[in-house]
Amino acid sequence: EVQLVESGGGLVQPGGSLRLSCAASGFTFSSYWMYWVRQAAGKGLVWVSRVNGDGSSTAYADFVKGRLTISRDNAKNTLYLQMNSLRAEDTAIYYCAKDLIEWGQGTLVTVSS
Amino acid sequence: DLVMTQTPLSLSVTPGQPASISCKSSQSLLRSDGETYLYWYLQKPGQSPQLLIYEVSNRFSGVPDRFSGSGSGTDFTLKIDRVEAEDVGVYYCMQSVHLHTFGQGTRLEIK
Repeated sequence: EVQLVESGGGLVQPGGSLRLSCAASGFTFSSYWMYWVRQAAGKGLVWVSRVNGDGSSTAYADFVKGRLTISRDNAKNTLYLQMNSLRAEDTAIYYCAKDLIEWGQGTLVTVSS
Repeated sequence: DLVMTQTPLSLSVTPGQPASISCKSSQSLLRSDGETYLYWYLQKPGQSPQLLIYEVSNRFSGVPDRFSGSGSGTDFTLKIDRVEAEDVGVYYCMQSVHLHTFGQGTRLEIK
């Protein structure tokens, strides 16, 4: 059974940083594209970033503007999202997803002073 | 930027009645490989999104056959033949031709 467990969310001040993690199990992690998608409270889904199986290819939504970095450690079966220069508008639940098919439960990031 | 526009944004349906959601893309979703990368998801209250339909019309594993997808190019439709109480939630279309873009979502409630 595929399991995706996000962690690392929390309260951070504007301009601060966080690193989200997504621990994967139940499948051959290195064989799949992995994604981050976010959802502000009461709002819709927004694609954030993706990375291919070996980590050599990444892509980001325009609003990321170099502030977020996706990476993965296939030895640890873990996906990451390094978030820098955080803004209030980054406040959201962040989901990781395998191939945009299976999704984790999300981790909440709150950017506020 | 590619925009995905869903209509309606909400609908209220009597159990056993049909429902239909439209999704229009500002650019064609037909890729050079001949495939059209349009997906439908349902996010039930308090849950993560779940995939219903992939590549326009293919039901994902375990999805009831009352759900069907159709369309081509820029115009797509999700249909539910006979709505059940468990179908409540927000439905999203998503394209994966030009990176990834979700529609605004359509909230389905039961009358």
